[in-house]
Amino acid sequence: NAGVMQNPRHLVRRRGQEARLRCSPMKGHSHVYWYRQLPEEGLKFMVYLQKENIIDESGMPKERFSAEFPKEGPSILRIQQVVRGDSAAYFCASSPQRGRNTGELFFGEGSRLTVL
Amino acid sequence: AQSVTQLDSQVPVFEEAPVELRCNYSSSVSVYLFWYVQYPNQGLQLLLKYLSGSTLVKGINGFEAEFNKSQTSFHLRKPSVHISDTAEYFCAAFSFGNEKLTFGTGTRLTIIP
Repeated sequence: NAGVMQNPRHLVRRRGQEARLRCSPMKGHSHVYWYRQLPEEGLKFMVYLQKENIIDESGMPKERFSAEFPKEGPSILRIQQVVRGDSAAYFCASSPQRGRNTGELFFGEGSRLTVL
Repeated sequence: AQSVTQLDSQVPVFEEAPVELRCNYSSSVSVYLFWYVQYPNQGLQLLLKYLSGSTLVKGINGFEAEFNKSQTSFHLRKPSVHISDTAEYFCAAFSFGNEKLTFGTGTRLTIIP
């Protein structure tokens, strides 16, 4: 399956712990996006990355959240010292390189974070 | 700034009846427009997209949408819905310069048997 792979699909953390969400883009895609979906809300953009570069992080909370997309390996969204309000579904999406980018994103199945 | 508005948060429709899900966008530049569908506890799947050319776009599962530049709309339609169409539908817009897909808040389509 060459689709966008996210893991874990479900993650439970207690307040104050760290959450790490991973995303492997589709083969041949070099752009990765992270979106957050809160209950009963739409998808909110968080961050846009290319390999080793953060292109746009205008949707990322100023504290506790960080993202990376290293040269090798998956993209990681990291949430430190989680709070109950971080409970949400986090979706990763990928797209081809900029020259061929039509705006269409290919989404993973999402990682559902529950903070107790 | 770019924004997408889906006025209807929930739309109940009887099985085999037609449906229209509304979407309006605002952007100071040309946009590409998309409709995605999300089934319960799943990711988003592309239904259809408008990039250029014919303003009537046909997608999967019998859905179609019409791009109306003067009304800045991209409404989604299906002439006869099925129980399996029960899902959340998201309209989205992409513009160069913004470089990210902006989503509406979604419309939950419920099919009544």
